[in-house]
Parts: sequence; structure tokens; C-alpha cells
Amino acid sequence: AQSVSQHNHHVILSEAASLELGCNYSYGGTVNLFWYVQYPGQHLQLLLKYFSGDPLVKGIKGFEAEFIKSKFSFNLRKPSVQWSDTAEYFCAVSSPSGGSYIPTFGRGTSLIVHP
Amino acid sequence: DAGVIQSPRHEVTEMGQEVTLRCKPISGHDYLFWYRQTMMRGLELLIYFNNNVPIDDSGMPEDRFSAKMPNASFSTLKIQPSEPRDSAVYFCASGWGYNEQFFGPGTRLTVL
Repeated sequence: AQSVSQHNHHVILSEAASLELGCNYSYGGTVNLFWYVQYPGQHLQLLLKYFSGDPLVKGIKGFEAEFIKSKFSFNLRKPSVQWSDTAEYFCAVSSPSGGSYIPTFGRGTSLIVHP
Repeated sequence: DAGVIQSPRHEVTEMGQEVTLRCKPISGHDYLFWYRQTMMRGLELLIYFNNNVPIDDSGMPEDRFSAKMPNASFSTLKIQPSEPRDSAVYFCASGWGYNEQFFGPGTRLTVL
């Protein structure tokens, strides 16, 4: 079965620090990749997604992610975090051909940004 | 579009009582998902439907849990009887297959 790993369970940063959250998946075929954000007390919302094309994807609020097929990775980055980025971040992977057709979610990474 | 609608937003009940959670997906979406989120176990997929048909219910924890989707615009998740360990936030999401999912606001369930 397809799996998604988010190795950083908890990340604590100061404002203006750079952020990189790891996401690795197990399926070797064609994949669609997603990052979702869940602000405290709210539901999951899509940050960005990758289906094809430029492996560097830009999302909302200054976030970006890079798909590296050879490493089975889709890491999320932001050059300078803000206090308002405090949230839980989920990586998800689906495969339209083989693997898991519907998105499989990672365990999530909790990000706390100190002002 | 109003997005995915869930009701109630909060539910407090006593152990042994029946609980019914409701979801209205976004019109046109052909997949509907039920998730449970807890601090201990994170986000768990309970069951999902495609065109109103249950496809995979392997995530449903026990026979006390059941889900239905009688039509394209409505789904329920029922717990009978409820237990304190069922306390969690239950999310409904809808989407188009392998594409992104749109999550509802969730129902926070507390079983005393």
C-alpha cells in the first residue's frame, strides 16, 4: 500500500526563520502531490498541489514545494515564516494509475512560530 | 458555493447514546470521505464513497460505526452506542477522485 512519511512531527521556529518540512512517499509511479494546512481549531485547507509540469510549485501565503522524483519527496518551504503560520501541515499523495487512487495523508507536522 | 457543510458543529453526549453526524458535500463532487482526528492518532480515514456507494470502510474502527450516503447531497456517520474513546473531531470531505479534497468545518464530538 502507498504510504506517506512526514519525518518532522513538531517544528518550533522564530519569526523570519526559514522553513522546510519533509514529505516522502512510497509509490514509484505517477503521483499527484498536495500540501494542506490546518490552522488551530479549523479544517484542512489546500496550500498547493502538483500534478505535472514545473516541479517547483508555488502556493498561497508564500509557500512553495519542490517535487524531486528521484528522492520520492515533496518538501514544503517558506523563506521567512510568520507567527500566523502556526498550524498543522499535512502532505498527501494520490496516484491516478496504480498506487492509491484517492489521496493518502501523512501524519502531519505541527509548526509553532514564536513572535 | 457554500463548501462542505457539516452538522452539528459540536456534540456532547453521554456514553451509550446514539450519535449521528451529517454532511452535505459540494455539488458535483463524486467522492465523499469521513475522517476522524485525535491528538493520539492524528487524521484517520474512516470510510469513503464514490457516487454514493461505499468503496472502502476498512478504517471504520468497530461495528458501532456505520455510514450511509442515500443520495449525492447527503451522508451520515452514526455511532451506536457511543463511548468516551470516540471523542474526536470528525471531518467530512468531498472531491473528484485523485484530485484535491475539500474539507468541512468538522464536528467536535465529546462523549462523557
